[in-house]
Amino acid sequence: EDKVVQSPLSLVVHEGDTVTLNCSYEVTNFRSLLWYKQEKKAPTFLFMLTSSGIEKKSGRLSSILDKKELFSILNITATQTGDSAVYLCAVSPFDNDMRFGAGTRLTVKP
Amino acid sequence: GAVVSQHPSRVICKSGTSVKIECRSLDFQATTMFWYRQFPKQSLMLMATSNEGSKATYEQGVEKDKFLINHASLTLSTLTVTSAHPEDSSFYICSARPGQFQPQHFGDGTRLSIL
Repeated sequence: EDKVVQSPLSLVVHEGDTVTLNCSYEVTNFRSLLWYKQEKKAPTFLFMLTSSGIEKKSGRLSSILDKKELFSILNITATQTGDSAVYLCAVSPFDNDMRFGAGTRLTVKP
Repeated sequence: GAVVSQHPSRVICKSGTSVKIECRSLDFQATTMFWYRQFPKQSLMLMATSNEGSKATYEQGVEKDKFLINHASLTLSTLTVTSAHPEDSSFYICSARPGQFQPQHFGDGTRLSIL
């Protein structure tokens, strides 16, 4: 059975802190891993990772995939209150649907 | 690019009513769209994969007669919750992707409340 496990489930930090969110997975026929940010409505796309060891960056956010260890991390540096959200990790096998983890609820305090 | 529109954003109705939710890809064509359901403080659960011009593929445990999916064009999929009951109250979200190996982009979701 496909499995996506995120940790921690929730995290409270102060503005300016750096956070690392974790995602481990077990899936047959892995194709890609995706990170999404969900605030009040539906998730917004952050990154799609298909190759090991290649870091993807967007501003203060970055992510990397380790296909040998079946693991990905999402880093956020110099956090701001606007980063408060649920961060979802999803894995897409070759049949193209996605399996989501439970999410990490990040709260950034001023 | 890759904008997905979902309508309505909020529905409140009586038990026994059927509710239709629309999902449109605004700036790309989508042969495949996806319908998810999300309970409070839980993650997204895939309900079904909507295929343009053919029958939807439902996940195990999802009643196809309860959740009717129609994908009549390359930019529109609809989910109809038939004879809705309070236990159907949830947040329903659709997604679509511009190409087979592109990331899915989500609509804003529909919050359904059945009284």
